[in-house]
Amino acid sequence: AQKITQTQPGMFVQEKEAVTLDCTYDTSDPSYGLFWYKQPSSGEMIFLIYQGSYDQQNATEGRYSLNFQKARKSANLVISASQLGDSAMYFCAIAARKLIWGLGTSLAVNP
Amino acid sequence: DAMVIQNPRYQVTQFGKPVTLSCSQTLNHNVMYWYQQKSSQAPKLLFHYYDKDFNNEADTPDNFQSRRPNTSFCFLDIRSPGLGDAAMYLCATSLPGTDNYGYTFGSGTRLTVV
Repeated sequence: AQKITQTQPGMFVQEKEAVTLDCTYDTSDPSYGLFWYKQPSSGEMIFLIYQGSYDQQNATEGRYSLNFQKARKSANLVISASQLGDSAMYFCAIAARKLIWGLGTSLAVNP
Repeated sequence: DAMVIQNPRYQVTQFGKPVTLSCSQTLNHNVMYWYQQKSSQAPKLLFHYYDKDFNNEADTPDNFQSRRPNTSFCFLDIRSPGLGDAAMYLCATSLPGTDNYGYTFGSGTRLTVV
């Protein structure tokens, strides 16, 4: 069975600073994918970044990067140069046959 | 643009009155999912279709049903909504075998039960 753990219920960051959101996972599948989603208060689930278990390099998408440490089973999201619009709920998820979600981290960006 | 569309965006229904939420996709993905998400919680998978094969999660209440008449459309029927069914309902699609599974979410339908 797969499991995602997000240990930070809430985080604060100053505008323009970088922030790291933690995610650890557990799976017995040799092949899996790791996702980060952003969910603003409007409710839509916005895809941010994906890391495949066999990918050699850490994924990057603009200001988002995924710090993937396979041996430690961690997949932390790094947001560089935070913006006010980054304030939202952030979910980490693992996919094999279906998505398994963490409980999420609420990020607040302060001006 | 290929996408997943959910209608309506907001739905208000009366306690006990059947309600149907709809989801359509132009991606031609063979898997479609329905999630329920309550306030400050993670999405909870209700069921999914792999092509025409229906897969119900073990803890999905019998009050929730789904139909997938064709590849493009999927419906969520709540037969007798209770106050506890008020939530955001998210539809998603995926294409297994693609590089990142192709997960795509609709904008969601926020259901209020009065």
